[in-house]
Amino acid sequence: KQEVTQIPAALSVPEGENLVLNCSFTDSAIYNLQWFRQDPGKGLTSLLLIQSSQREQTSGRLNASLDKSSGRSTLYIAASQPGDSATYLCAVRPDSWGKLQFGAGTQVVVTP
Amino acid sequence: DTAVSQTPKYLVTQMGNDKSIKCEQNLGHDTMYWYKQDSKKFLKIMFSYNNKELIINETVPNRFSPKSPDKAHLNLHINSLELGDSAVYFCASSQDLAGGHSSYNEQFFGPGTRLTVL
Repeated sequence: KQEVTQIPAALSVPEGENLVLNCSFTDSAIYNLQWFRQDPGKGLTSLLLIQSSQREQTSGRLNASLDKSSGRSTLYIAASQPGDSATYLCAVRPDSWGKLQFGAGTQVVVTP
Repeated sequence: DTAVSQTPKYLVTQMGNDKSIKCEQNLGHDTMYWYKQDSKKFLKIMFSYNNKELIINETVPNRFSPKSPDKAHLNLHINSLELGDSAVYFCASSQDLAGGHSSYNEQFFGPGTRLTVL
């Protein structure tokens, strides 16, 4: 059974510092992996999707890597800003049938 | 333009009542989902429909019945509401072909419906 873990559960950094968020999964046979952010009381915003055949994806200040063999993905956010404060969720799609299995999230606070 | 929309945003009701949550997507996607986020903020899949056909049903009590009148809509009807049903319910959609053999299957989420059962 696939399990998705995100450590740490919470993280606080000063503005300008780079953020490193970790996601691990127990079964390396995944279809893809998706990173989301969730603001309090709001829905999920998709940040990046990495297909199983890819090693990384980049969008602006965000870069996500995928190492299937070790069951890990890392989300890097460069030069963090207070607006980056949110909960970041990693989700694994285990097969072609669409359901996502989520980690519990990392709550990030970027202090000015 | 809102890509995935849900109504209502908030729903407060008494135990034992029947309620519905509506979801619509204007992305032209083939697949829609319902997820539940519990009080510990953990998100779990409930159902998935592809072109109005049920493809995922994750051991959800049969008091929950999804209905897809067309591929742009997936509604969730809940009978005999219980205290434990209190949660935030999210609808999502993706452009997936039947069987999931699509090269692009990013899921887009609605804003959520916060259900409180008293």
